[in-house]
Amino acid sequence: GDSVTQMEGPVTLSEEAFLTINCTYTATGYPSLFWYVQYPGEGLQLLLKATKADDKGSNKGFEATYRKETTSFHLEKGSVQVSDSAVYFCALKVGTGFQKLVFGTGTRLLVSP
Amino acid sequence: DAGITQSPRHKVTETGTPVTLRCHQTENHRYMYWYRQDPGHGLRLIHYSYGVKDTDKGEVSDGYSVSRSKTEDFLLTLESATSSQTSVYFCAITREGQNTEAFFGQGTRLTVV
Repeated sequence: GDSVTQMEGPVTLSEEAFLTINCTYTATGYPSLFWYVQYPGEGLQLLLKATKADDKGSNKGFEATYRKETTSFHLEKGSVQVSDSAVYFCALKVGTGFQKLVFGTGTRLLVSP
Repeated sequence: DAGITQSPRHKVTETGTPVTLRCHQTENHRYMYWYRQDPGHGLRLIHYSYGVKDTDKGEVSDGYSVSRSKTEDFLLTLESATSSQTSVYFCAITREGQNTEAFFGQGTRLTVV
């Protein structure tokens, strides 16, 4: 079935460090891929997305490239800030008619000053 | 912000009592979802709806039922709450199309004692 696997956390970094959060997926068909972010006490909100192979999604300094050959969508940021501390979810959406939305388990990022 | 609200935001209830959570949207989106979020599991789909009176089960639907009598409202009912249903519940909405992102409510924290 369709699934998303992302690295377990927490990921602990110092401010201005480079961030990578790994995400791989399994899907029937050709999914769209998303990263969502959840700040404490809030719902999820879209961070970025990519809808086809080799697309790069980007937002707020975060980037992820849709790699069909490795079925991956790793999240990166060149220099993290304390305000980036949150839980990050990788997700895919696939299907004709009803589109199934499948999430990974989430990765908590903690950035210290 | 997407027009999606959940109520109540917090609830404590006793084992064996019925509980109904409400999701209300003002976006006229066709698809609505109920997820639960638990540590180590990420978001798991409980039920979803693809239109008025059209609903179906997700991966963790046992013990839950839903109803959608109007486009804007999607109700989740725990017929007889159990301690294993203590969780944070999120409602999400999406437009049609594989490339469209989901918008989330702020969540309902339910504690069953």
